[in-house]
Amino acid sequence: DAGVIQSPRHEVTEMGQEVTLRCKPISGHNSLFWYRQTMMRGLELLIYFNNNVPIDDSGMPEDRFSAKMPNASFSTLKIQPSEPRDSAVYFCASSPGLSNRQFFGPGTRLTVL
Amino acid sequence: DAKTTQPTSMDCAEGRAANLPCNHSTISGNEYVYWYRQIHSQGPQYIIHGLKNNETNEMASLIITEDRKSSTLILPHATLRDTAVYYCIVSASNNAGNMLTFGGGTRLMVKP
Repeated sequence: DAGVIQSPRHEVTEMGQEVTLRCKPISGHNSLFWYRQTMMRGLELLIYFNNNVPIDDSGMPEDRFSAKMPNASFSTLKIQPSEPRDSAVYFCASSPGLSNRQFFGPGTRLTVL
Repeated sequence: DAKTTQPTSMDCAEGRAANLPCNHSTISGNEYVYWYRQIHSQGPQYIIHGLKNNETNEMASLIITEDRKSSTLILPHATLRDTAVYYCIVSASNNAGNMLTFGGGTRLMVKP
């Protein structure tokens, strides 16, 4: 079992650029979560999907952020345009749905200059 | 808006039991108590969860008070690799998985 896979692991970009973070959940899991972690705000849930459908996106900070899950094995979190305050570690997690045990990926460390 | 209160930090001697407390006085009847931990530079890791009864697995034990207003996570023989931030979370279960609201957690330092 490869676990949750995230790419890239590190991303450095300049303000105004588009950033796309990718996640491959554990096979068979039907819930997928995107989190953001900063020193100031801790670990925050941004959005989660069930069976590829967004269920709650109330944590998405603003319209610059969007997330998609085109199929059961892939999700993206896009920031366009990026700003320095978006610098954070972004985690993807998946769960089997009926169980609340979430399995987290290693995270993507995003730095926006 | 976390529903739990935990000490900011704790120390524990290597080989001794680490007892991490958590208060959740407003917990609802359908809410579980979950524990996750986050080792530096890694994603959070599930440890254990319970509803009413005490639970034990290969990682830890969870003791929940009878009124369910507090709980204690016990690492029976702490090692240096258990140094991490430990998060206590209360969350209801539903068919879509669930939203976990992470608070500040307890930073556990295991010392030799």
